[in-house]
Amino acid sequence: QSALTQPPSASGSPGQSVTISCTGTSSDVGAYNSVSWYQQHPGKAPKLIIYEVTKRPSGVPDRFSGSKSGNTASLTVSGLQAEDEADYYCNSYTGSNGVFGGGTKLTVL
Amino acid sequence: QVQLVESGGGLVKPGGSLRLSCVASGVTFSDAWMSWIRQAPGKGLEWVSYTNPHTTHTVYADSGKGRFTISRDNAKNLLFLQMASLTVEDTAVYYCARLGPETCVYDWGQGTLVTVSS
Repeated sequence: QSALTQPPSASGSPGQSVTISCTGTSSDVGAYNSVSWYQQHPGKAPKLIIYEVTKRPSGVPDRFSGSKSGNTASLTVSGLQAEDEADYYCNSYTGSNGVFGGGTKLTVL
Repeated sequence: QVQLVESGGGLVKPGGSLRLSCVASGVTFSDAWMSWIRQAPGKGLEWVSYTNPHTTHTVYADSGKGRFTISRDNAKNLLFLQMASLTVEDTAVYYCARLGPETCVYDWGQGTLVTVSS
């Protein structure tokens, strides 16, 4: 199973919005509403920020939102803040396992 | 709140074996789907294995099939990963994780570093 495709980097200024894409196939992202997103700060464990494409766990700011169209899922971070600078990973169910994206490093300029 | 604490990582020579452990608290462990996920230095996340509450359904990534075995002791809230025939490509931080439906990762441990080197 090949990794989902994410851009290696993204950036935005404080207060701006940035969208990170996650492209899979009709066997994973396109087949299931089971896409999740994780935020990872340097030296820390990842943290769930979006599940089932659009849902936010308790405690995650509503500045984080998710969507999906066809084989591509997206994470949008609105009103960028300095603490949003981190690596972001998507994951999709494949019917038998999960598959992660390669990760996107988000820089807040 | 859920806490997952891994142990057992360390330095091992190529071809060697290692057993990782993870103790869970704050969750009904015997109802939890659990997994191991790894991250090589400077790289992305990779699924290693996951299991249902009674290890009647286990899944392995191709990279670990035939070499890694996931197991658990529900009486002691413990998850294990037995790793054999290790290669340098297995060098990574190994995370213990609690799963929700369809491989959504609800909770992560802090990770344990496995280094395979001669």
